[in-house]
Amino acid sequence: DVKVTQSSRYLVKRTGEKVFLECVQDMDHENMFWYRQDPGLGLRLIYFSYDVKMKEKGDIPEGYSVSREKKERFSLILESASTNQTSMYLCASGPGQGIDEQYFGPGTRLTVT
Amino acid sequence: AQTVTQSQPEMSVQEAETVTLSCTYDTSESDYYLFWYKQPPSRQMILVIRQEAYKQQNATENRFSVNFQKAAKSFSLKISDSQLGDAAMYFCACSSNFGNEKLTFGTGTRLTIIP
Repeated sequence: DVKVTQSSRYLVKRTGEKVFLECVQDMDHENMFWYRQDPGLGLRLIYFSYDVKMKEKGDIPEGYSVSREKKERFSLILESASTNQTSMYLCASGPGQGIDEQYFGPGTRLTVT
Repeated sequence: AQTVTQSQPEMSVQEAETVTLSCTYDTSESDYYLFWYKQPPSRQMILVIRQEAYKQQNATENRFSVNFQKAAKSFSLKISDSQLGDAAMYFCACSSNFGNEKLTFGTGTRLTIIP
């Protein structure tokens, strides 16, 4: 079975804290993605990576950074968490072609207080 | 740039009946792909069905089928013989052949199945 795992299902952090969200895939996929899901807004792409150490900004990169040191792992970093970053964060991976399916992790519900 | 619009935030259907979820999109790409993803409550997002824009034939996966109208930029999902397990958020999405499979999602439709 293909699998994308995320380090936490629920996370509560304080404003100003540095937050790390980890994602691991076991399918040897080239591409990995971080999305943010908010009610009424759907999923919005934050960052994606098409190779180790490579990254590209998505539609809403402000306030976030990413790291991909190994092919199977893609981390999302909130340098200084703010309350408007309270959201559901979804990680996904895919083999690399436009027709290909993306495989999603279970999501991390982050609350910033 | 691509945009995807789902105009029905919520839908409901009686068990065993048929329901159609609407989606319209806009893209400047000549070669693109369309998807419907399903997110059951507290469970992971999974692919339901996909359509290659250059194919005229509508995709079908068991009880799920699409009505792809390329000129109208419309991509609706039909669920036949609805089952309780079909209850979920459904997202329409679009990707470009040249965009490293980046997906642009709609805002989603919450489908409720009435027993």
